[in-house]
Amino acid sequence: DTEVTQTPKHLVMGMTNKKSLKCEQHMGHRAMYWYKQKAKKPPELMFVYSYEKLSINESVPSRFSPECPNSSLLNLHLHALQPEDSALYLCASSLGQGTNEKLFFGSGTQLSVL
Amino acid sequence: GQSLEQPSEVTAVEGAIVQINCTYQTSGFYGLSWYQQHDGGAPTFLSYNALDGLEETGRFSSFLSRSDSYGYLLLQELQMKDSASYFCAVRDLTGGYQKVTFGTGTKLQVIP
Repeated sequence: DTEVTQTPKHLVMGMTNKKSLKCEQHMGHRAMYWYKQKAKKPPELMFVYSYEKLSINESVPSRFSPECPNSSLLNLHLHALQPEDSALYLCASSLGQGTNEKLFFGSGTQLSVL
Repeated sequence: GQSLEQPSEVTAVEGAIVQINCTYQTSGFYGLSWYQQHDGGAPTFLSYNALDGLEETGRFSSFLSRSDSYGYLLLQELQMKDSASYFCAVRDLTGGYQKVTFGTGTKLQVIP
């Protein structure tokens, strides 16, 4: 199994809603990432988990809250989002945070905030 | 901070060769990767260079010059399915942890 699975594929939410994005991998990878991608822009790193511990937070607003319940799962909890948060949210994993491990990306969750 | 610059768009003819350049500024540099992303799809890994020189993987090759902070992706025998966005990405060290930062991206259009 060489897949990173993200759910849901599409999400529409209001600014007062609470929702969660889910990401799962069964490749035994120990590093997992959240990226945000706006249309026609590169992916921007949000968070990195290494061995289930948050290792990098790229100064992301607190309305985004990551969680890594175990080595296979990564969640992104959303609360009180703004319309400018509408984007494609990509989850990725890698074997570790070593020197040359490639990132495996999920197909993303397309989020629209109304 | 990091910065990675790429041409925004490139157009090439089917069967031809195209080179996509990437210049970067970063500290604690470990290596340069390339990813392909089709519209509506996920980025997929193409290649990685940690040392100077050329790495070849089938129709794709990638080159790195650490002294020039420069790399390129070379695509040969272009096919229509190669139409996609291509991102260079640096792996560097931040706060004791390695992270991957993506370049501005190059949209490649292959025409018949």
